[in-house]
Amino acid sequence: DIQMTQSPSSVSASVGDRVTITCRASQGISSWLAWYQQKPGKAPKLLIYAASSLQSGVPSRFSGSGSGTDFTLTISSLQPEDFATYYCQQANSFPHTFGQGTKLEIK
Amino acid sequence: QVQLQESGPGLVKPSQTLSLTCTVSGGSISSGGYYWSWIRQHPGKGLEWIGYIYYSGSTYYNPSLKSRVTISVDTSKNQFSLKLSSVTAADTAVYYCARTTARRDSLDYWGQGTLVTVSS
Repeated sequence: DIQMTQSPSSVSASVGDRVTITCRASQGISSWLAWYQQKPGKAPKLLIYAASSLQSGVPSRFSGSGSGTDFTLTISSLQPEDFATYYCQQANSFPHTFGQGTKLEIK
Repeated sequence: QVQLQESGPGLVKPSQTLSLTCTVSGGSISSGGYYWSWIRQHPGKGLEWIGYIYYSGSTYYNPSLKSRVTISVDTSKNQFSLKLSSVTAADTAVYYCARTTARRDSLDYWGQGTLVTVSS
């Protein structure tokens, strides 16, 4: 299985801050990477697919980059509704695996 | 707008079979192009991909669960289902159904999730 490792596991930030979350794959996955946001008690929500494509309806302050093994999710200016847990997922090979999550907390 | 809704028992006894159904509305499973997925999340933990099915019946399973998992589809009811046999407490989790995009690279619509507890 391809292992997906996110860093940091948690981060504290303030409204208006720029935040970057990293996801590293244990082997190359080209651009087969998606990012999700999950709030407590809710299902995950797709933010980014194909490493850098913004899902319809997702605010433009979210962006993704990377290919191969190293990827980033950037939130350019944090809003109160962005405090949540973020997951990456690879779809390059089966099984499709997720990172362990990054919890974004209010400072 | 596509909507998915999980249904099934919230409590299953050890060694029995967990059975869940996902009802899709706002789109037809038989129209093709999409894969229909199951994902689970252990309490307070991360996400685990279980597998998915195409409307034709083609399936892909997580090897870690493959010996115990069956995903099936009923296009006449616009539903797909998950069966997980020989459950233990380690199978206690929130189970989500979701749609995998036509690109097969992400999950764009999710059900709300249903908690299944394995306990006697």
